[in-house]
Amino acid sequence: EDKVVQSPLSLVVHEGDTVTLNCSYEVTNFRSLLWYKQEKKAPTFLFMLTSSGIEKKSGRLSSILDKKELFSILNITATQTGDSAVYLCAVEIQGAQKLVFGQGTRLTINP
Amino acid sequence: AAGVIQSPRHLIKEKRETATLKCYPIPRHDTVYWYQQGPGQDPQFLISFYEKMQSDKGSIPDRFSAQQFSDYHSELNMSSLELGDSALYFCASSSGSSTRTSGNTIYFGEGSWLTVV
Repeated sequence: EDKVVQSPLSLVVHEGDTVTLNCSYEVTNFRSLLWYKQEKKAPTFLFMLTSSGIEKKSGRLSSILDKKELFSILNITATQTGDSAVYLCAVEIQGAQKLVFGQGTRLTINP
Repeated sequence: AAGVIQSPRHLIKEKRETATLKCYPIPRHDTVYWYQQGPGQDPQFLISFYEKMQSDKGSIPDRFSAQQFSDYHSELNMSSLELGDSALYFCASSSGSSTRTSGNTIYFGEGSWLTVV
């Protein structure tokens, strides 16, 4: 059974801290891994990762994929209260054309 | 536990035809979102509904329309299909107003794969 597991499920930090969110997966046929941020509206897409070891970066956010160890991390540096959200990880299954999502990590940034 | 159900899972249509995708949210979920992900492309948010009213609109083409019905299921109608519409369409659901409560857990369906030939 295809599975995506995120950790931690919940995280509370102070503004300015750096956080690392984890996503591990066990799937039959990996195609890509995606990260989403969900605030008060529909989730917004952050990163799509297909190659191992290549970091993707957008401002204070970065993400990397390890296809050997079957995991990805999402880093947020110098966190701000606006980073408070649920962060979702999903894996696209090659051939089955489907996405398998993790449970999400609820990140709270306190001022 | 019941999940978000999408149908059909796979659909093949010819150019200029019409297609309808259906999304059945988790019971008691009142918010539905639609996304489109083309091959090798980033997912694009299309549209969302809360309590049967459109709540947010993204990059949905004019040829597409969607609605949420009284039983909260949603349908995405696509007309005058083009080759570029070939994509994975997935929907998601959550409970509570997406504009009032931050961080409601959102659950995604497995997607409907549309191929336009």
